[in-house]
Amino acid sequence: QKEVEQNSGPLSVPEGAIASLNCTYSDRVSQSFFWYRQYSGKSPELIMSIYSNGDKEDGRFTAQLNKASQYVSLLIRDSQPSDSATYLCAVNIWDDMRFGAGTRLTVKP
Amino acid sequence: EAGVVQSPRYKIIEKKQPVAFWCNPISGHNTLYWYRQNLGQGPELLIRYENEEAVDDSQLPKDRFSAERLKGVDSTLKIQPAELGDSAVYLCASSPSAWGLTNTDTQYFGPGTRLTVL
Repeated sequence: QKEVEQNSGPLSVPEGAIASLNCTYSDRVSQSFFWYRQYSGKSPELIMSIYSNGDKEDGRFTAQLNKASQYVSLLIRDSQPSDSATYLCAVNIWDDMRFGAGTRLTVKP
Repeated sequence: EAGVVQSPRYKIIEKKQPVAFWCNPISGHNTLYWYRQNLGQGPELLIRYENEEAVDDSQLPKDRFSAERLKGVDSTLKIQPAELGDSAVYLCASSPSAWGLTNTDTQYFGPGTRLTVL
């Protein structure tokens, strides 16, 4: 089992819709969780970090964490074509960050 | 505040040649990471430094890869000799990592070096 798993996609949503990105992780001791956005040919850019169970909102982005289910998700409301990118889930496992392979999101105008 | 700086941005070399990448982290960040990212994959950790000490190099192919962070600031990653399979993007990241404080393990990435081995 991979340490961090994501659906590779591609996930396609129409402009204005909600995009839902999911991630599961294997190590129960993980305490820190991150979502990064990566445009093609660019480096990862931090969107959200979450440390406690529940929801964390920042603008159009909401991160959700459920440690009991070892599940973290990212919701993007009012999706825009500029949101089209690969979204990487990252989990801090014993001070080392482990990344999922990413989910490619396409927002169609 | 300046971000993580990396150079060169692109490098094309013949197999069996050496290559080196340089990284300067965000000022004040104690922890520095080197990652390798293959196409369609997430970044994979190669080595993590806490100040000048390499605290995790378990994923670094030590037969051909080496790294140093002599003064606990900037760092160099070297490959000698390079192989075709080393073609990838090499990313450097840094984080504040103040022990015991939450929200200090967020990593900030540099632009990366795209290596092509022919």
